[in-house]
Amino acid sequence: DVKVTQSSRYLVKRTGEKVFLECVQDMDHENMFWYRQDPGLGLRLIYFSYDVKMKEKGDIPEGYSVSREKKERFSLILESASTNQTSMYLCASQRSIYEQYFGPGTRLTVT
Amino acid sequence: SQQGEEDPQALSIQEGENATMNCSYKTSINNLQWYRQNSGRGLVHLILIRSNEREKHSGRLRVTLDTSKKSSSLLITASRAADTASYFCATDGGYNKLIFGAGTRLAVHP
Repeated sequence: DVKVTQSSRYLVKRTGEKVFLECVQDMDHENMFWYRQDPGLGLRLIYFSYDVKMKEKGDIPEGYSVSREKKERFSLILESASTNQTSMYLCASQRSIYEQYFGPGTRLTVT
Repeated sequence: SQQGEEDPQALSIQEGENATMNCSYKTSINNLQWYRQNSGRGLVHLILIRSNEREKHSGRLRVTLDTSKKSSSLLITASRAADTASYFCATDGGYNKLIFGAGTRLAVHP
């Protein structure tokens, strides 16, 4: 079974803090994705990566950055957290063009 | 950009009944996928249907695709309380990306 893990299930941070969300997959998948999920808006793509050290902007990259130093690990960074970044963050991995495998999600609250 | 839109937004049924959810999309696709999300959890892939397929089955799930109408439907037969979840369709957005709809919330009552 593919396993995608995320570093925290729940996280509370203060406005202005730098926040790191980590995602690890164990299936040697090339592609990894970060989404945020908000009520009524579905999943929106923040960033994705096709390979180590490669990254592409998704639909809503502003206020976020990513890092992929190793194939199995994809990190999402909130440079200076703001209250409008309170959301559920979902990481996914994918082999080529097939289905995506999701982690359990991190519910981030910024106060 | 939202490609798929699910309908209805919410559905409430009794155990044993069938549940049908619909998805409409705007541009041509190579494939369409359906995912399930239990409350507060990640998404789980259910089924993928390619653009040259019209119908696909997996256990109690039946998915249809009508590319002329740019629509798909997910049918869950003989629903169970454990089927209570949100269901999302996702279309390929190029470069291996997926574009998700806002989802249908299904509640199955014992």
